[in-house]
Amino acid sequence: AQTVTQSQPEMSVQEAETVTLSCTYDTSESDYYLFWYKQPPSRQMILVIRQEAYKQQNATENRFSVNFQKAAKSFSLKISDSQLGDAAMYFCAYRRPNTGNQFYFGTGTSLTVIP
Amino acid sequence: GAGVSQTPSNKVTEKGKYVELRCDPISGHTALYWYRQSLGQGPEFLIYFQGTGAADDSGLPNDRFFAVRPEGSVSTLKIQRTERGDSAVYLCASSYLGPTDTQYFGPGTRLTVL
Repeated sequence: AQTVTQSQPEMSVQEAETVTLSCTYDTSESDYYLFWYKQPPSRQMILVIRQEAYKQQNATENRFSVNFQKAAKSFSLKISDSQLGDAAMYFCAYRRPNTGNQFYFGTGTSLTVIP
Repeated sequence: GAGVSQTPSNKVTEKGKYVELRCDPISGHTALYWYRQSLGQGPEFLIYFQGTGAADDSGLPNDRFFAVRPEGSVSTLKIQRTERGDSAVYLCASSYLGPTDTQYFGPGTRLTVL
């Protein structure tokens, strides 16, 4: 079974600063996908960024980037120039393609942005 | 276009009652997923539909839980003889079906069993 671990239940960052959220996962597969989702108090899960395991280049979406270390099974999210609207729960998720495409989620990291 | 919608947004029921939770996926999305998110946890997979059929229901906790998607669009998650432990947020997601396709989530239904 795949497991996803987020070891930081809570993190805080000063507005405009940079913060990194950690995620590790366990899998025997070589081909898979990794995601970061943001969940504000509204409960809506919003896709932040996606990484295909076969791509060596780290994904980037504006202020959000990942550090994907396949051998170490690590997938951290870096948020640059943090904004108040970034405050939310962040979930790391693993998906193995072609087997139902279901996600396996970590337990989440609650991010607080300090003005 | 419109996102995934779920109704009701909140549902309070008594132990032993039957409840139905509805999900309207994004138009054209063939895959639909149900997840359950308990307090302080990440979402846990319940069931996955490809079209009208349940392609994977391995996450359903027991036979009190059942889901349907009769026309390949709207889905209903049905819980019989509810228990207090069923209290959680039930999330629905939809996607096109493909190895790179992203799942888009609805806002969830918060179920409280008294």
